[in-house]
Amino acid sequence: DGGITQSPKYLFRKEGQNVTLSCEQNLNHDAMYWYRQDPGQGLRLIYYSQIVNDFQKGDIAEGYSVSREKKESFPLTVTSAQKNPTAFYLCASSPSPHYEQYFGPGTRLTVT
Amino acid sequence: ELKVEQNPLFLSMQEGKNYTIYCNYSTTSDRLYWYRQDPGKSLESLFVLLSNGAVKQEGRLMASLDTKARLSTLHITAAVHDLSATYFCAVDGQAGGTSYGKLTFGQGTILTVHP
Repeated sequence: DGGITQSPKYLFRKEGQNVTLSCEQNLNHDAMYWYRQDPGQGLRLIYYSQIVNDFQKGDIAEGYSVSREKKESFPLTVTSAQKNPTAFYLCASSPSPHYEQYFGPGTRLTVT
Repeated sequence: ELKVEQNPLFLSMQEGKNYTIYCNYSTTSDRLYWYRQDPGKSLESLFVLLSNGAVKQEGRLMASLDTKARLSTLHITAAVHDLSATYFCAVDGQAGGTSYGKLTFGQGTILTVHP
């Protein structure tokens, strides 16, 4: 089955700990994206990558880091510097930046 | 900075009625997307609008794009309960350039269809 997988579905962490969210796709898409969604709000772009070994900051990159060492993988690390990390995190991919984005199932992160 | 505004933010409809959701954006763009989100779920792509005057229809939903007015509409015809969800528009901020993909989302419209 082709698609985008995110794991885990739910993640709980203590304040001050870094945490890494996984995003994998087997669609052979070049571009991948990370978004954050807070309750009752739209999605905000954290980071995006148009090609392997290259990525750019989105609108709310502070406190987050990413890597793109393989085409199929785009992990997001939420660092202790992120002031309010509790949110629903969505990963997306597209064949290229010119095409629509397809979304993974999301990871709900709770930091206490 | 690109701003995307949807209205209404909340829409309660009776089954069988028609209504329109509006999506206004602040800077030039020629790519706009509509997505649907069910509670606690991910986003499902509904429409891709790539040029001025583009119109797409799928079932009871029809989307259009007016790039000169910086406005997209999502029209619902004869609503049914299954259409209850949150609908987002998203605008690609790189108009006419070589680099696309940086989407700005509206706040979302929560649609409830009741008997």
